[in-house]
Amino acid sequence: NAGVTQTPKFRILKIGQSMTLQCTQDMNHNYMYWYRQDPGMGLKLIYYSVGAGITDKGEVPNGYNVSRSTTEDFPLRLELAAPSQTSVYFCASRPGLHMGNTEAFFGQGTRLTVV
Amino acid sequence: GNSVTQMEGPVTLSEEAFLTINCTYTATGYPSLFWYVQYPGEGLQLLLKATKADDKGSNKGFEATYRKETTSFHLEKGSVQVSDSAVYFCALRKYEKLTFGTGTRLTIIP
Repeated sequence: NAGVTQTPKFRILKIGQSMTLQCTQDMNHNYMYWYRQDPGMGLKLIYYSVGAGITDKGEVPNGYNVSRSTTEDFPLRLELAAPSQTSVYFCASRPGLHMGNTEAFFGQGTRLTVV
Repeated sequence: GNSVTQMEGPVTLSEEAFLTINCTYTATGYPSLFWYVQYPGEGLQLLLKATKADDKGSNKGFEATYRKETTSFHLEKGSVQVSDSAVYFCALRKYEKLTFGTGTRLTIIP
């Protein structure tokens, strides 16, 4: 049982480059999330999705894009990398509202450095 | 909007000491409350949760009680171990969104 899988685990980007952080879950969860974790700042919500074809902005969406074409996948796209996007990125998923108050499951994170 | 305020760290304790990490929240209605733990190099894992007022969540010797009157969800453990060293996050969930506190780094020394 893989749970939430994020790739890559580490990446170094140059300013202005673009990349996609991949996130896949095999639990048939409706809800998926992207967070960034900066030192001493906790987790900030970037984007979230309540189901395939539906996405919405979180607290800090600028500089990112997402898509949700399938239930399993929720990739995060950085178009023009900036040093301010250096962070650890976490993907999470959980079942929908109709399945009760259940926990979120997190991937192991992607450490991104923009130089 | 919703917010979580968490005791700032880092916190350093000796093994077998008593632990309290304070957490208060701001939200309308009755959110669900959680404590997550993050071990070095890993993602967050659920430690315990409470879904309504006066509920007590517990796991691995940790406890937290949902106090609606003080909007608090403080984490406690009677006797900490070196293996409890980690970062602890308080969080709330209202509808589809999860909101986290800033995290408290806990270090237990033998």
